[in-house]
Amino acid sequence: AQKVTQAQTEISVVEKEDVTLDCVYETRDTTYYLFWYKQPPSGELVFLIRRNSFDEQNEISGRYSWNFQKSTSSFNFTITASQVVDSAVYFCALPGNTPLVFGKGTRLSVIA
Amino acid sequence: NAGVTQTPKFRVLKTGQSMTLLCAQDMNHEYMYWYRQDPGMGLRLIHYSVGEGTTAKGEVPDGYNVSRLKKQNFLLGLESAAPSQTSVYFCASSYVRSSIQYFGAGTRLSVL
Repeated sequence: AQKVTQAQTEISVVEKEDVTLDCVYETRDTTYYLFWYKQPPSGELVFLIRRNSFDEQNEISGRYSWNFQKSTSSFNFTITASQVVDSAVYFCALPGNTPLVFGKGTRLSVIA
Repeated sequence: NAGVTQTPKFRVLKTGQSMTLLCAQDMNHEYMYWYRQDPGMGLRLIHYSVGEGTTAKGEVPDGYNVSRLKKQNFLLGLESAAPSQTSVYFCASSYVRSSIQYFGAGTRLSVL
């Protein structure tokens, strides 16, 4: 069965530091998608990225970047020069036996 | 641009009472989902639907029922609420199983 592990329960950084959120997954599918979602303190869930397993190139979007490594079944998320507005819970997910299997999330606190 | 709308936003029930949560989407999505979010547990899928008139069980379906009589609406019912059903409930929708899921703002339910 598919599984997503986010080993970091909580991370606290000082503003402007870089931070990496880890995501390790298990799947028997040969092709699959991976997702990251953000849940700010207001509570809504915001889509960040979807990555196809065929595409192993790193992706960068502003201060956000994602490192996908099939060899280690990891899809890590890095925030460069963190800001207070980045404080949120971040979820990694992939489709599995149910449409989307979520990790338990990493709570990121960015301190001014 | 309403997207996914959940009603109500908050509700307090007494044990044994029943209620229905309504989810409406205006994106013509085929797939709709109900999740519950509990502290430290991430999001867990309760039920989902792959099209009008269909429903399927997710990871934690016990104590809940759903209906999808219209493509744009997905109802979640609690026939006899229990304190263990105190949670935040999220509805989501997507075009297909592997596409981006768009979430509603959530319903905070307390069962006393």
